[in-house]
Amino acid sequence: NAGVTQTPKFQVLKTGQSMTLQCAQDMNHEYMSWYRQDPGMGLRLIHYSVGAGITDQGEVPNGYNVSRSTTEDFPLRLLSAAPSQTSVYFCASSSPGEGGHEQYFGPGTRLTVT
Amino acid sequence: GEDVEQSLFLSVREGDSSVINCTYTDSSSTYLYWYKQEPGAGLQLLTYIFSNMDMKQDQRLTVLLNKKDKHLSLRIADTQTGDSAIYFCAEWADSSYKLIFGSGTRLLVRP
Repeated sequence: NAGVTQTPKFQVLKTGQSMTLQCAQDMNHEYMSWYRQDPGMGLRLIHYSVGAGITDQGEVPNGYNVSRSTTEDFPLRLLSAAPSQTSVYFCASSSPGEGGHEQYFGPGTRLTVT
Repeated sequence: GEDVEQSLFLSVREGDSSVINCTYTDSSSTYLYWYKQEPGAGLQLLTYIFSNMDMKQDQRLTVLLNKKDKHLSLRIADTQTGDSAIYFCAEWADSSYKLIFGSGTRLLVRP
């Protein structure tokens, strides 16, 4: 199993550009989520999905779109990048189990918006 | 709403015990987690505790949960320099179906 994979690892965008951060998991997990990590603020939930075709907003959804057409993939779209979206983005997945919803994290995407 | 708070920084000497504290507000939390993040890396799950437990021990790690005060702690025995990292506590509530993180505690282990 590859676990949770994210691409790209690094990205630099200009203000106003759009891009999609990719996330995939091969563990057949129902639950997937996106977080952003900023210094001193921990991880904040952007969007999450409890299964294919179902998505919902987290704490900081503005400026981001998601879709979940398959169980495996959960891309995050920035429609018009802003400097405030400079951050490290983590994707995670889980299914209910002995440890509750033990989240498996991807390695992260470091995004800089100039 | 949900909120999780942690102190920002802890410094200990190698070989001492470290205690990292966390408070949470959501009384419907069912699982509480501790994650470790090393520089430039993702998050690694260290341990978890179910809300009907008071204590869980896993090798050098001891988790204590005080449900009345909504207080969670992580004790690392015989702290090593390799334990230097940021530690996050997180709560999962079945009512909201979300994992909410604290801001992280940076642990520095001095030789």
